[in-house]
Amino acid sequence: EADIYQTPRYLVIGTGKKITLECSQTMGHDKMYWYQQDPGMELHLIHYSYGVNSTEKGDLSSESTVSRIRTEHFPLTLESARPSHTSQYLCASSESSGDRKTQYFGPGTRLLVL
Amino acid sequence: AQSVTQPDIHITVSEGASLELRCNYSYGATPYLFWYVQSPGQGLQLLLKYFSGDTLVQGIKGFEAEFKRSQSSFNLRKPSVHWSDAAEYFCAVVGKGSGYALNFGKGTSLLVTP
Repeated sequence: EADIYQTPRYLVIGTGKKITLECSQTMGHDKMYWYQQDPGMELHLIHYSYGVNSTEKGDLSSESTVSRIRTEHFPLTLESARPSHTSQYLCASSESSGDRKTQYFGPGTRLLVL
Repeated sequence: AQSVTQPDIHITVSEGASLELRCNYSYGATPYLFWYVQSPGQGLQLLLKYFSGDTLVQGIKGFEAEFKRSQSSFNLRKPSVHWSDAAEYFCAVVGKGSGYALNFGKGTSLLVTP
């Protein structure tokens, strides 16, 4: 079973606020990912990381930013939240050796921007 | 580009009946395929995966899937559905770029009736 955690699980916030969504994993995985999921839609990759000090943008353009200072931690930040950012954000991780393709997901953060 | 199509947006089955969820992929080489399940308000849980070898793969919770290269399909099956199987099911394929990020289908919502 995967050990990947996301906080908060639910967040309601006003427009213009800065928010940080936390993601941590205890599996020692080097690769981590952020996906965005709108209701009834597929997941889209917005950021990923190969390891410490590595961050890349995904296929879906996003105004969010990420950082990877520690292996286990991959936070996502929105400097100024807008209603268009309302969505579910899912964090995932995978190994960098062995089975490098299987991703394990956290429980997600549901964000509502008013 | 690698893509996944799940033709059925919603499926309703009676408890105890058999289930088949369809997934078609578009990929030039041997695909790495996954099925995930998402219960309401939760993250994604891995059901099963196919990388190579035996084309019939067994997963958790009594699910299985069959890879058919000639039909570009990876359909998920369960012989007898339980009410607790009601959830959203996502088929995914590993993309060629973006650090092995997954390309997801739009999902199939399963409703189980008594």
